[in-house]
Amino acid sequence: AQSVTQLGSHVSVSEGALVLLRCNYSSSVPPYLFWYVQYPNQGLQLLLKYTSAATLVKGINGFEAEFKKSETSFHLTKPSAHMSDAAEYFCAVSDFGNEKLTFGTGTRLTIIP
Amino acid sequence: GAGVSQSPRYKVTKRGQDVTLRCDPISSHATLYWYQQALGQGPEFLTYFNYEAQPDKSGLPSDRFSAERPEGSISTLTIQRTEQRDSAMYRCASSSTQGDTIYFGEGSWLTVV
Repeated sequence: AQSVTQLGSHVSVSEGALVLLRCNYSSSVPPYLFWYVQYPNQGLQLLLKYTSAATLVKGINGFEAEFKKSETSFHLTKPSAHMSDAAEYFCAVSDFGNEKLTFGTGTRLTIIP
Repeated sequence: GAGVSQSPRYKVTKRGQDVTLRCDPISSHATLYWYQQALGQGPEFLTYFNYEAQPDKSGLPSDRFSAERPEGSISTLTIQRTEQRDSAMYRCASSSTQGDTIYFGEGSWLTVV
């Protein structure tokens, strides 16, 4: 069975500071890994995904994530936070693609002016 | 349509009533998914369709839950004899094929009182 753990349900960073949102996964097979973002009153939007190609994945809005098999991690980072990054972020894992995503419980990111 | 559209956005119903939620996927998308998201949790897979076929409904919590996609486009999720524990956001998503990027709708909030 797959599972995803997101450490920190709430994270606050200052504008311009590094954003680091943590995600650890458990999977019995090589996983597909995803980060989704939800802005207020909008649907979930794909930020980036890892599908066994390059371990460093670049996504939209300056975000990137690194797949580390030895640590079973897929942490999301952005060098410099912007006010518009305030949202809820979900990490997800899948065995074969997208048909059955297992999500973490989410991390709400607040940006401090 | 331009995006995944769900209706109603908000529904309050009395315990014991039946509820039907509707999802209109992106035009020509073959694959459609339903997820349930309780407050403070991540989305949990319910079921998915490839056109009108429903290969996996293992995530449906009980036989009170059913989903249809009779013509391979619009889908409905029906909950019979609603219970308070059914209160959640129900998310619909679609992709052009399995394994392709999933696009989520804004969700339908269901409150059972």
